[in-house]
Amino acid sequence: DAGVIQSPRHEVTEMGQEVTLRCKPISGHNSLFWYRQTMMRGLELLIYFNNNVPIDDSGMPEDRFSAKMPNASFSTLKIQPSEPRDSAVYFCASSLKGQGTEAFFGQGTRLTVV
Amino acid sequence: AQSVTQLGSHVSVSEGALVLLRCNYSSSVPPYLFWYVQYPNQGLQLLLKYTTGATLVKGINGFEAEFKKSETSFHLTKPSAHMSDAAEYFCAVWDTGRRALTFGSGTRLQVQP
Repeated sequence: DAGVIQSPRHEVTEMGQEVTLRCKPISGHNSLFWYRQTMMRGLELLIYFNNNVPIDDSGMPEDRFSAKMPNASFSTLKIQPSEPRDSAVYFCASSLKGQGTEAFFGQGTRLTVV
Repeated sequence: AQSVTQLGSHVSVSEGALVLLRCNYSSSVPPYLFWYVQYPNQGLQLLLKYTTGATLVKGINGFEAEFKKSETSFHLTKPSAHMSDAAEYFCAVWDTGRRALTFGSGTRLQVQP
């Protein structure tokens, strides 16, 4: 398996624009997580899905953020409208459902909002 | 809720020296604990994990960690540092409430020649 695949790797956008980040989890994994990494706040869990259903979105910072998982092999994280403070590295991770199972991370999308 | 605290945001060692990265956890239930490594511009990679059983856990690249319940610790060690170990290291705990991993703030390891 190619691992968790995220696209794009880098995104530069202007404030106010819509940004969509994409993730393909590892085949067979039924949990998917979106994390955000910043210098100030470290790694924060934004939202996660089990079997394509959003379970906990309490980490989503604002209504400007939304995430979907239309099927087991694809998820998106959308920011509309984007703001400079959204600049961060966004990671997608997947795992088999269950506590104690490790999450496998993608290489991340570095988002810069100018 | 479970949480982890990593002591020391930066650690510098000489090549060949012992590596010790500290992690303490807070949990009201038996914790599931993890160490991940992040190389520059990369995602996180699992080094090792503790779930149940043997308290000394061996991972990849010569790293190991010992679960000490009495000290609520899960420190990461490696007997001899290599230049390629320079990276950021994250301790994590499985949060049974949120049903996801909660990460510490990370420790950046520098290895001096």
